[in-house]
Amino acid sequence: GIQVEQSPPDLILQEGANSTLRCNFSDSVNNLQWFHQNPWGQLINLFYIPSGTKQNGRLSATTVATERYSLLYISSSQTTDSGVYFCAVKGYSSASKIIFGSGTRLSIRP
Amino acid sequence: KAGVTQTPRYLIKTRGQQVTLSCSPISGHRSVSWYQQTPGQGLQFLFEYFSETQRNKGNFPGRFSGRQFSNSRSEMNVSTLELGDSALYLCASSPGQDYGYTFGSGTRLTVV
Repeated sequence: GIQVEQSPPDLILQEGANSTLRCNFSDSVNNLQWFHQNPWGQLINLFYIPSGTKQNGRLSATTVATERYSLLYISSSQTTDSGVYFCAVKGYSSASKIIFGSGTRLSIRP
Repeated sequence: KAGVTQTPRYLIKTRGQQVTLSCSPISGHRSVSWYQQTPGQGLQFLFEYFSETQRNKGNFPGRFSGRQFSNSRSEMNVSTLELGDSALYLCASSPGQDYGYTFGSGTRLTVV
């Protein structure tokens, strides 16, 4: 099956800093999403981005499908950005399963 | 538009019992999938249903089962609960293969 690796595993930043989170995957995918898991456990959908670039406020994401990676950018970090960020992918086959990376734990200090 | 609704939010069960969790997808979404999240194993795929048919299944024992009804609502059942089944169970719905998934708030199951 597809392997998903996220880096870094942990990131501690001061409020106002910018950050880049990376997701590498081992095979072609037709579905890639970035999620933020809040302290109560809910997964909040940030981007559905199997290819290309998208932006939403201070967040943006880029997926380079041919090179099998995706990046999530967070600018001007706020304490509310703290939490775990997951990348999840799914292959082209209808039998393919959604595979989550192990996540990046982001801590924003005031 | 209502989101994905999971019930109950919290559950405490005794080893050996069985449990049923419910997931109501976003209206119009025909795909429902289930995940188990534990600190040690991360987020693991359980199964996915589309139009009442199980399309995929993860690597879980037969004690874990699920079904989807004609209104797309889904239930998952875990029989003969073990301590290791304590986890956050998350449900997600999607319109179909080439769309993103929206998650519910989860059911936190504790087995004692």
